[in-house]
Amino acid sequence: DSGVTQTPKHLITATGQRVTLRCSPRSGDLSVYWYQQSLDQGLQFLIHYYNGEERAKGNILERFSAQQFPDLHSELNLSSLELGDSALYFCASSPGAITGELFFGEGSRLTVL
Amino acid sequence: AQTVTQSQPEMSVQEAETVTLSCTYDTSESNYYLFWYKQPPSRQMILVIRQEAYKQQNATENRFSVNFQKAAKSFSLKISDSQLGDTAMYFCAFRRTQGGSEKLVFGKGTKLTVNP
Repeated sequence: DSGVTQTPKHLITATGQRVTLRCSPRSGDLSVYWYQQSLDQGLQFLIHYYNGEERAKGNILERFSAQQFPDLHSELNLSSLELGDSALYFCASSPGAITGELFFGEGSRLTVL
Repeated sequence: AQTVTQSQPEMSVQEAETVTLSCTYDTSESNYYLFWYKQPPSRQMILVIRQEAYKQQNATENRFSVNFQKAAKSFSLKISDSQLGDTAMYFCAFRRTQGGSEKLVFGKGTKLTVNP
């Protein structure tokens, strides 16, 4: 158990819908990262938050947005869903902004039908 | 751009034998971190081992060790005395630091099967 909690574990929805994925980092960790894992693209970095502030953006679509709240949990919002958004979405946390090691949650499996 | 290449999509090994997974990377940075993560069927991403580029000594964690060749930009993972529980996807990752942030860049992964 990494200490990072993600909900929901599984989610099935239809095209055009909107979903929210939630992540609670390890106790004391200030950084939250979101990654998307799909069969053809592998693990892709989406976004990094540190203590409530956005620090870096990766290959995140404009239909996707994220935020980190004062209690340090984070949410990833996916809207106007397409079939290609079906993937495993990982949240990871680390103590600081530049610390080397990331601790991953178990992921949220999103299926868009 | 930093890239990480794992040239072996799949590998298999007999239980108790040794297997080596390959990884090469491309970077212009002089100091960086490299990692191997394991993803079993449970899909949890688990850190196996890490290597700091400024350290010449290869990292070791129990049955797992790395062969880090900085000049060649190579970072292979050796698993000794393979166990059935080692069956998983293995991802090599490079830590990229930029503008007060960092991210891990992952290879495509190697699917390792340990056979009884």
